[in-house]
Amino acid sequence: EPEVTQTPSHQVTQMGQEVILRCVPISNHLYFYWYRQILGQKVEFLVSFYNNEISEKSEIFDDQFSVERPDGSNFTLKIRSTKLEDSAMYFCASDRTLDGYTFGSGTRLTVV
Amino acid sequence: AQSVTQLDSQVPVFEEAPVELRCNYSSSVSVYLFWYVQYPNQGLQLLLKYLSGSTLVKGINGFEAEFNKSQTSFHLRKPSVHISDTAEYFCAVSRQGAQKLVFGQGTRLTINP
Repeated sequence: EPEVTQTPSHQVTQMGQEVILRCVPISNHLYFYWYRQILGQKVEFLVSFYNNEISEKSEIFDDQFSVERPDGSNFTLKIRSTKLEDSAMYFCASDRTLDGYTFGSGTRLTVV
Repeated sequence: AQSVTQLDSQVPVFEEAPVELRCNYSSSVSVYLFWYVQYPNQGLQLLLKYLSGSTLVKGINGFEAEFNKSQTSFHLRKPSVHISDTAEYFCAVSRQGAQKLVFGQGTRLTINP
């Protein structure tokens, strides 16, 4: 069964550093997403991406965040200057017909 | 805007017993409803979904859910649980045709032998 692949599975970074989280969505999917889950809290929507542009973003997705689909297969989330409160599990997901995503296994980001 | 409430943060049950995980949603427009499962140290896996049609939806691993529009509920059930069902279960809603999913807080299902 096709999978959404995320790398790395764990990342530790120092506060103020930039991080890039990488995702390879399912190849024929058209919609791409990032969600995050802070430990013990809900899974929260960050951003959706369709037709090479952001289609919706949450209030969490401020100027320190950006997304790219640089080469038609990868989908990246960049956090420019990480804060302690950015520590979370970040999930990438993709969808073809808006009727149920496939999620990746997540990247655990720890900011120290 | 849509919202989801999962009424139980933790549900302990004995193996082979039935289980129901409760989910209520709020929305002023028609919605799609989903249940996802998260096994320890893994990602989110789609268990089942309601888009339209029959209100009783069957999913993977013997789970089913019933959409009740009048009660705005989408409770998840399994007639006989197994140790391997130990996981966190998330109910989610999206506006029909929309991209964004709104998740509930999750219910931790613990199966005791």
